[in-house]
Amino acid sequence: DTAVSQTPKYLVTQMGNDKSIKCEQNLGHDTMYWYKQDSKKFLKIMFSYNNKELIINETVPNRFSPKSPDKAHLNLHINSLELGDSAVYFCASSQAEGNGYTFGSGTRLTVV
Amino acid sequence: AQSVTQLGSHVSVSEGALVLLRCNYSSSVPPYLFWYVQYPNQGLQLLLKYTTGATLVKGINGFEAEFKKSETSFHLTKPSAHMSDAAEYFCAVSDSGPGGKLIFGQGTELSVKP
Repeated sequence: DTAVSQTPKYLVTQMGNDKSIKCEQNLGHDTMYWYKQDSKKFLKIMFSYNNKELIINETVPNRFSPKSPDKAHLNLHINSLELGDSAVYFCASSQAEGNGYTFGSGTRLTVV
Repeated sequence: AQSVTQLGSHVSVSEGALVLLRCNYSSSVPPYLFWYVQYPNQGLQLLLKYTTGATLVKGINGFEAEFKKSETSFHLTKPSAHMSDAAEYFCAVSDSGPGGKLIFGQGTELSVKP
């Protein structure tokens, strides 16, 4: 059983398109996150949700819109994709401060 | 603001040699510290964590790290490198609060030579 699952694993799309990445966790965790890993492998938080409530929004362009229908799901919708959005996007979840995260396997987004 | 610095973007060791990956942090509050490993085309896997208590923390795959408050360090070590240890390693510090974010260092790529 996969603890944090993301779909799709790979996504290739043209500039200007709109796409979504889905994330689900079966760990019963209260908090979910989206992180972006750039081409230099640097990881930066984008969003954090706690029990469906947005906690952190780290100066991400408003073309990115997270949605959490319930505490087990956190989806990421991206409008008007740009070349610079190409990256690996990781979903993660955690139960409590200090416990660390459980990460999904990532979605490699390529915008052409 | 919290931050993490990993010294050396690339470390190369011979199989059987000591692995030492360096991490220094800055935090205005007692930190929670983590090491993660990322194998090619995979997600991040937690190696070990420090929250409170014993400053020498043992993790998976024979890795351990020591929290040194006076040096603001949390270096990762393994006595004997194995070929399968080749990967990217990330040190991270946790922000506080229920939605607390992990702040990552820039990563260190470990290569293991036969």
